Amino acid sequence: EAQVTQNPRYLITVTGKKLTVTCSQNMNHEYMSWYRQDPGLGLRQIYYSMNVEVTDKGDVPEGYKVSRKEKRNFPLILESPSPNQTSLYFCASKQGARLDLRNTGELFFGEGSRLTVL
Amino acid sequence: QKEVEQNSGPLSVPEGAIASLNCTYSDRGSQSFFWYRQYSGKSPELIMFIYSNGDKEDGRFTAQLNKASQYVSLLIRDSQPSDSATYLCAVGGGSQGNLIFGKGTKLSVKP
Repeated sequence: EAQVTQNPRYLITVTGKKLTVTCSQNMNHEYMSWYRQDPGLGLRQIYYSMNVEVTDKGDVPEGYKVSRKEKRNFPLILESPSPNQTSLYFCASKQGARLDLRNTGELFFGEGSRLTVL
Repeated sequence: QKEVEQNSGPLSVPEGAIASLNCTYSDRGSQSFFWYRQYSGKSPELIMFIYSNGDKEDGRFTAQLNKASQYVSLLIRDSQPSDSATYLCAVGGGSQGNLIFGKGTKLSVKP
């Protein structure tokens, strides 16, 4: 089954304790992206990656790191989490930029990771 | 800064009515346009995509694109209570293929 898998789905942690949210896709997609979603603010992009070893900042990258060493994985790292990073996080993937009959450009989302930083 | 703007709502319509959701975007080089539906606490799911000017219909949903006005809309005919959700407009393409999302419009369909 084609899917984007995020772990953990739920996490409560404390300020300053490093954590990693993993994201893996089994569709051989070139593009992957991380978003956070907060009430009234919509989906805000944190980082995205167009391919292996290629990453770029989104709208709200501060306090986050990413890496793309393999095509299927795109982990999100919070080196020193703070309470303002409490949010619902989504990872997503899609085929590369070129659109054709087989590539609609659809973005496939993981189920989300709800993070609480105390 | 590329932007996608949506009216945050909430938009309330009676069951059976037509719901009209609107979206404007700033990047004239945009090539692909998407509407996602998101139920509370769930991940967004794609309901429509459109690339060419004009209308595209799929069941009760119609997407409309006007590139000259940088405007894309979603019409939902015969609205049902199950359509109550937040609708996200996403715009992409150009040279990078990154998708930019609007903040979403919350739709409430009253029985």
